[in-house]
Amino acid sequence: DIVMTQSPDSLAVSLGERATVNCKSSQSVLYSSNNKNYLAWYQQKARQPPKLLIYWASTRESGVPDRFSGSGSGTDFTLTISSLQAEDVAVYYCHQYYSTPFTFGGGTKVEIK
Amino acid sequence: EMQLLESGGGLVQPGGSLRLSCVASGLSFSNFAMSWVRQAPGKGLEWVSCISYSGGSTYYADSVKGRLTISRDNSKNTLYLQMNSLRPEDTAVYYCASGGVKARSAYWGQGTLVTVSS
Repeated sequence: DIVMTQSPDSLAVSLGERATVNCKSSQSVLYSSNNKNYLAWYQQKARQPPKLLIYWASTRESGVPDRFSGSGSGTDFTLTISSLQAEDVAVYYCHQYYSTPFTFGGGTKVEIK
Repeated sequence: EMQLLESGGGLVQPGGSLRLSCVASGLSFSNFAMSWVRQAPGKGLEWVSCISYSGGSTYYADSVKGRLTISRDNSKNTLYLQMNSLRPEDTAVYYCASGGVKARSAYWGQGTLVTVSS
């Protein structure tokens, strides 16, 4: 199974500042046939279902603000919120959909400092 | 955009059974692989199972293999999860989501709560 390890578990960032969440997979999720990383990022606010932010490691889902960006390849990935807004308070999860069993990171709680 | 609506959750005793349903609307259901993902109270997300767009291929987490069965009826735009031999550790909100092998989960339902307790 591919283990997804996120860090940190939580972080507090001032409004307008940058927030960075890291995710490491125990095996590569890069599919050599098309050079795509099967890595997604989700945002989950309290009492809501997860919302897809980023897929293929760096492609923003339609309607997602451009302050959210994803980067990385192979086994190391990053989600960056360039200028934190109050509505970004949530738990963020990375997720590999490269092979079953699909797995999620443990989550990173982002709060306002 | 696809809308997903789960139903069938509730309180069940250990060893009991439930069947969850997820009705899709808005996009062509039969074009999408589908998944079930669960979240225990106060915990993170755990993938449970997925099924190909045709229903011909199914996959399960080891923790549910042999007890939970995923299926779909494309004529009814409905995804199912038959849950047997339920355990207290199966207590969670169960989300229906689009997506499967190498297909991202762009659409999620609101979830249905399953509580396994005596």
